[in-house]
Amino acid sequence: EAGVTQFPSHSVIEKGQTVTLRCDPISGHDNLYWYRRVMGKEIKFLLHFVKESKQDESGMPNNRFLAERTGGTYSTLKVQPAELEDSGVYFCASSQTGGSNEKLFFGSGTQLSVL
Amino acid sequence: AQSVTQPDIHITVSEGASLELRCNYSYGATPYLFWYVQSPGQGLQLLLKYFSGDTLVQGIKGFEAEFKRSQSSFNLRKPSVHWSDAAEYFCAVAGRRGSTLGRLYFGRGTQLTVWP
Repeated sequence: EAGVTQFPSHSVIEKGQTVTLRCDPISGHDNLYWYRRVMGKEIKFLLHFVKESKQDESGMPNNRFLAERTGGTYSTLKVQPAELEDSGVYFCASSQTGGSNEKLFFGSGTQLSVL
Repeated sequence: AQSVTQPDIHITVSEGASLELRCNYSYGATPYLFWYVQSPGQGLQLLLKYFSGDTLVQGIKGFEAEFKRSQSSFNLRKPSVHWSDAAEYFCAVAGRRGSTLGRLYFGRGTQLTVWP
């Protein structure tokens, strides 16, 4: 079974440019989460999709970030325009809704560097 | 507000030695508690979790953790560390949001170095 896949693994862009990160969850997982880790700090929640609907987007930093999950399959996270403080590792995770047995599977992350 | 504190940024132990990684949390109700591990180039892997019941939880790779409500702690332990345990370890807490787990609150992580 394929795990959570994220593209690209690394991205280096200049301030003001646009970047789109992609996450392919495990097939059949309704829940999809985005998290971010800024260097030296904790991993922070960005948002949560249930199928194609945004269940919780309270962690999105500002309106330069746009997340979509069309059709309830893969998700994209677009940053436009990128700023220096957006640099960090962006993680995606997916899970099946399963009560106390729910388990999150994480991708290996996208390292974003904004210069 | 919910928060997780991992007071040790970096720990170094010798192979074969015992290990304890500390985690303290602040949460409004009894949380769900987790330990994740991240090896270089890999995603976060769940080591163990506590939802309810027995406060001593067994996980994968020989790890265990103990939930102590009175101390708001969930420390991770391993009796004998292997070189392959070198990685970064994250403690996390979550609540329940409807039928799903909801957002996780992570600590800053503890980097473990293992000397041969």
